[in-house]
Amino acid sequence: AQSVAQPEDQVNVAEGNPLTVKCTYSVSGNPYLFWYVQYPNRGLQFLLKYITGDNLVKGSYGFEAEFNKSQTSFHLKKPSALVSDSALYFCAVRDSVDSSYKLIFGSGTRLLVRP
Amino acid sequence: ETGVTQSPTHLIKTRGQQVTLRCSSQSGHNTVSWYQQALGQGPQFIFQYYREEENGRGNFPPRFSGLQFPNYSSELNVNALELDDSALYLCASSLAGTTGELFFGEGSRLTVL
Repeated sequence: AQSVAQPEDQVNVAEGNPLTVKCTYSVSGNPYLFWYVQYPNRGLQFLLKYITGDNLVKGSYGFEAEFNKSQTSFHLKKPSALVSDSALYFCAVRDSVDSSYKLIFGSGTRLLVRP
Repeated sequence: ETGVTQSPTHLIKTRGQQVTLRCSSQSGHNTVSWYQQALGQGPQFIFQYYREEENGRGNFPPRFSGLQFPNYSSELNVNALELDDSALYLCASSLAGTTGELFFGEGSRLTVL
């Protein structure tokens, strides 16, 4: 069965410092991996995706993520955090053998960037 | 490019009632998915529609049903509402046959009293 784990409910970081939000996954076939961000009372905004190719993918707002097949991880990173990055972040996976576009989401990690 | 729009944004119902939520997909997208996001949780897949037919369903009872129209817009219907149906309902569109991401609307927040 497909699953996504985000082990941290909250990540706290000072503005200007690097940040990492962790994600591990489990799928039967090859994974398609995604990161979304959600601001209060809003829908989800797409940040970046890994489908195939280079393990380091770059996305919106300076975020990047590294795919690690052996560790089944897809951690979200940013070299220098901004207060405006404070939001709820969701990792999601789609199994490449699934004919539907069903995404399995993690439980979310709240990022708090302090000034 | 028009994004995904949902209506209504907020609504309150009582237990046992029925509700219909609406979604217009992003221009050029032919697949619509619905997700339920309970408070403090990640979105849960309800079902997906492609070519006006259900194409994948999550672990939701039959009282959750949907429609997709020829213009790719969609409805989510929930019958016999229960208190636990209170959630943010998210619609997402995509283009079939691609590995592209889903584009989400702002959601419809349903409160069941």
